[in-house]
Amino acid sequence: QKEVEQNSGPLSVPEGAIASLNCTYSDRGSQSFFWYRQYSGKSPELIMFIYSNGDKEDGRFTAQLNKASQYVSLLIRDSQPSDSATYLCAVTAGNQFYFGTGTSLTVIP
Amino acid sequence: KAGVTQTPRYLIKTRGQQVTLSCSPISGHRSVSWYQQTPGQGLQFLFEYFSETQRNKGNFPGRFSGRQFSNSRSEMNVSTLELGDSALYLCASSLASGTYGYTFGSGTRLTVV
Repeated sequence: QKEVEQNSGPLSVPEGAIASLNCTYSDRGSQSFFWYRQYSGKSPELIMFIYSNGDKEDGRFTAQLNKASQYVSLLIRDSQPSDSATYLCAVTAGNQFYFGTGTSLTVIP
Repeated sequence: KAGVTQTPRYLIKTRGQQVTLSCSPISGHRSVSWYQQTPGQGLQFLFEYFSETQRNKGNFPGRFSGRQFSNSRSEMNVSTLELGDSALYLCASSLASGTYGYTFGSGTRLTVV
């Protein structure tokens, strides 16, 4: 079983809609959770991190963490074509850092 | 504040050669990790260095090696290059083993012919 699992997609949403990206992790001791965005041909960039159960909002982005269910998600409100990218979930456990394989998101104008 | 700098950006090598890639982390960051990314494979973890010590290693053959210097700059070396080593190699730095997330460099695109 992989440490971090994501649906590879592709996920397509119309412009203005809410995009929902999901991630599950296997290690109950995981402490920190991150979402990265990677445009084609570019390196990943950190867009959100969350440490505690619940929601964390930053502009159009909301990260949600449920440690009991070992589940973390990213909601993108008012999706824009510029949000089209691959979104990578990452998790720390001990001093290890694990990435999921990413979900490809396409926002259709 | 300068970001993570990787050199060179692009590299073309021949099978059997060796290559050295360089990474300068963000000032003050002591943890440097290296990843290989190929189409459809996602980010494959190579190794992590913290204060000149290799702390974690991924599942790559011994042809892949790395080191970190006292100024936190890191190099990775690939010997006896194979066609399958063609990939984007990404370096990322962090204050402390990713606790606050990693910041990535722009990567080195290696093509083996």
